[in-house]
Amino acid sequence: ETGVTQTPRHLVMGMTNKKSLKCEQHLGHNAMYWYKQSAKKPLELMFVYSLEERVENNSVPSRFSPECPNSSHLFLHLHTLQPEDSALYLCASSQDRMSQYFGPGTRLTVT
Amino acid sequence: TQLLEQSPQFLSIQEGENLTVYCNSSSVFSSLQWYRQEPGEGPVLLVTVVTGGEVKKLKRLTFQFGDARKDSSLHITAAQPGDTGLYLCAGIGPGTYKYIFGTGTRLKVLA
Repeated sequence: ETGVTQTPRHLVMGMTNKKSLKCEQHLGHNAMYWYKQSAKKPLELMFVYSLEERVENNSVPSRFSPECPNSSHLFLHLHTLQPEDSALYLCASSQDRMSQYFGPGTRLTVT
Repeated sequence: TQLLEQSPQFLSIQEGENLTVYCNSSSVFSSLQWYRQEPGEGPVLLVTVVTGGEVKKLKRLTFQFGDARKDSSLHITAAQPGDTGLYLCAGIGPGTYKYIFGTGTRLKVLA
């Protein structure tokens, strides 16, 4: 399945580093999402970009910064992360509010 | 706050057995999706249900959306080891892009 791709698949970074996660969707969808998946917790919606709105989860720390330059690309910029930010970061896309399709995720480890 | 509770959380069964997973909420959803997720990968969409009372079948999997669009069930007939994985339900309310994910059901089918 190559509808939604994410790079890198694995990332190890120190707390003082700056890195970016990239997501690209090839499905012609008009909405894109970032989720965080931690062990023993439900998927947590971080950000949504659609033609109509940008939605943020108010509990997401400012050290996570999204960027959506067009409807096919989505970035998550990371800086001064904490060890508790280690998780699987998932990107998804959808057409309007219909079914979401997920990428394979980026496994992030903060040391 | 919208919540989706899934039950059971864990299920270990023998190959050939039947099982049902439940997804319940006090909120009404415009649509509800079921996903299966393998370790280290993104969730893969299985089905979307939209109409109250709707039943959809995908080979040995049967999905039902409650009449009031607050709950859903996934029934697997004659489970196989390949059905092993984390099953997630996700609902979305009207006029929003905020999907709410369930807590997940981790299924293991033993050969």
